[in-house]
Amino acid sequence: QKEVEQDPGPLSVPEGAIVSLNCTYSNSAFQYFMWYRQYSRKGPELLMYTYSSGNKEDGRFTAQVDKSSKYISLFIRDSQPSDSATYLCAMRSQGGSEKLVFGKGTKLTVNP
Amino acid sequence: GAVVSQHPSWVICKSGTSVKIECRSLDFQATTMFWYRQFPKQSLMLMATSNEGSKATYEQGVEKDKFLINHASLTLSTLTVTSAHPEDSSFYICSARAFTSTDTQYFGPGTRLTVL
Repeated sequence: QKEVEQDPGPLSVPEGAIVSLNCTYSNSAFQYFMWYRQYSRKGPELLMYTYSSGNKEDGRFTAQVDKSSKYISLFIRDSQPSDSATYLCAMRSQGGSEKLVFGKGTKLTVNP
Repeated sequence: GAVVSQHPSWVICKSGTSVKIECRSLDFQATTMFWYRQFPKQSLMLMATSNEGSKATYEQGVEKDKFLINHASLTLSTLTVTSAHPEDSSFYICSARAFTSTDTQYFGPGTRLTVL
């Protein structure tokens, strides 16, 4: 079983739709959770950073962490064509190694 | 804040030559930088962790003599691909750890290397 599982998609939605992206993980030591957005041929851009269970909202984006289920989500409201990108979840444990463990990424296309 | 740059953004070289890629943190100091490699439609693969003033720590399977890393200052790390071959063609991305409120990694825009 991989440490982090993420459905690679592709996911295609109409403009204005609510998008739900998810990752599951197996390592209970993971304490910090991130979502990155990566446009084609660009480096990943940090979208959301959370370290506790619950919800965190930033504009149209909401990150949700459920440590008991080892499940994290990213919701995008009122999706726009400019949201079309690959979304990567990443996580790391507290202390020790600073390495991030990434999901494979979900490719999202928002159609106008 | 937390901007990371890479240079060059793309490079084409002949087989057997060496290529140097620079990674700079523009508005913060980074004691730790990371080098990743990404193949098309795949996720990032960590190659090595670079600490300022000390030797880099390489991931298993990454040849340290082929991928030379130098972290000479708190804002600059370099990756040199020595004696490059076509199989080294890839997208190389660096990141820098920022001790901001998020304490996480910020990524550069990446360097696309093509070895002919």
